[in-house]
Amino acid sequence: ELKVEQNPLFLSMQEGKNYTIYCNYSTTSDRLYWYRQDPGKSLESLFVLLSNGAVKQEGRLMASLDTKARLSTLHITAAVHDLSATYFCAVMTGTASKLTFGTGTRLQVTL
Amino acid sequence: DADVTQTPRNRITKTGKRIMLECSQTKGHDRMYWYRQDPGLGLRLIYYSFDVKDINKGEISDGYSVSRQAQAKFSLSLESAIPNQTALYFCATSDLAGGGGTQYFGPGTRLTVL
Repeated sequence: ELKVEQNPLFLSMQEGKNYTIYCNYSTTSDRLYWYRQDPGKSLESLFVLLSNGAVKQEGRLMASLDTKARLSTLHITAAVHDLSATYFCAVMTGTASKLTFGTGTRLQVTL
Repeated sequence: DADVTQTPRNRITKTGKRIMLECSQTKGHDRMYWYRQDPGLGLRLIYYSFDVKDINKGEISDGYSVSRQAQAKFSLSLESAIPNQTALYFCATSDLAGGGGTQYFGPGTRLTVL
């Protein structure tokens, strides 16, 4: 059974600081997704990582994938309040395009 | 207009009632999914469908059923609702050929079972 673990589960950080969210998964996969969810809202796709060594960047967020270590990271650079949300990683396995989600990291950026 | 819509957006019902949640999409995707979200548990897959004739159980299908009425419509039913089915329910669609298999989510339905 595939397990996807994120850490930390909760992160409070000051504006302007850098931090990294980690996503570990337990079985082989070469497709990993990052989503953002604002309170009471739906999930918004941030990144799709499709191969080992993939790196994607959008604004202050950068995601990377190491399939050998079964690890993805979401790095936040110079955080701003607007980045406050819950971030989920999700791993795709098999031909059924099924996603297994991590439990999410709630990010709170304080002024 | 939203590409993936869900109705109703909020529903309060009583134990034992039959409930149907509906999902429609205009993205032209073949694959559709139903998830539930509970605090601290992330999203868990209930059912998924690759086309009208292909329905598959996810990890937590007990107590739920689905119907794929058309490529664009996928409904989730709770035959006899119970309180531990209180959750936020999301429909999602994907197209493996494009977008790297990204799933696109609807706005969610908040269901409360009393």
